[in-house]
Amino acid sequence: AQSVTQPDIHITVSEGASLELRCNYSYGATPYLFWYVQSPGQGLQLLLKYFSGDTLVQGIKGFEAEFKRSQSSFNLRKPSVHWSDAAEYFCAVRPGNNRKLIWGLGTSLAVNP
Amino acid sequence: DGGITQSPKYLFRKEGQNVTLSCEQNLNHDAMYWYRQDPGQGLRLIYYSQIVNDFQKGDIAEGYSVSREKKESFPLTVTSAQKNPTAFYLCASNRDRGDYGYTFGSGTRLTVV
Repeated sequence: AQSVTQPDIHITVSEGASLELRCNYSYGATPYLFWYVQSPGQGLQLLLKYFSGDTLVQGIKGFEAEFKRSQSSFNLRKPSVHWSDAAEYFCAVRPGNNRKLIWGLGTSLAVNP
Repeated sequence: DGGITQSPKYLFRKEGQNVTLSCEQNLNHDAMYWYRQDPGQGLRLIYYSQIVNDFQKGDIAEGYSVSREKKESFPLTVTSAQKNPTAFYLCASNRDRGDYGYTFGSGTRLTVV
């Protein structure tokens, strides 16, 4: 079955430190890949997406993600974290022509001052 | 600006009552979705609709009902058959072609009192 795994339930980093959130998916072909961010009590906002082409994707708020086919991964990175980045981050996969997204369980990010 | 509006933001339900959550979009999106979010469980799909007057059950449809009489609107009714309705409910939409990312509303928090 198709699935998305975010291995880290919770991560704490210091402000100014670099960040990498992991996402692995299970799907035979290359899916459409997404990262979303959710602040407490809010809806989800799209950070970035990958459909094809360059495997390094730039998003909003200084985030980027790299698609690695060999590892079935789509990890999210940011060189220097700001306190306002504290939120829940979700990775999602859209297999083939199916409109429905398959979601990871999320990674909660805390930022220490 | 285009977007998705969910109302109300907070909703309280007595045991045995049906309540309806509103979701309206002015993005001209074809597909709309309802998710339920509980701590640690990510996003679980309740119902989705790809076209007016048609909708399909998601993974946790029991105790819920929807309608799609207009392209812009996709209300969700939480019936008395839903035994544990306290949760955060998110509505989302996306286009038929091109951009496959979802746009989310800001959510409705439903509490049973």
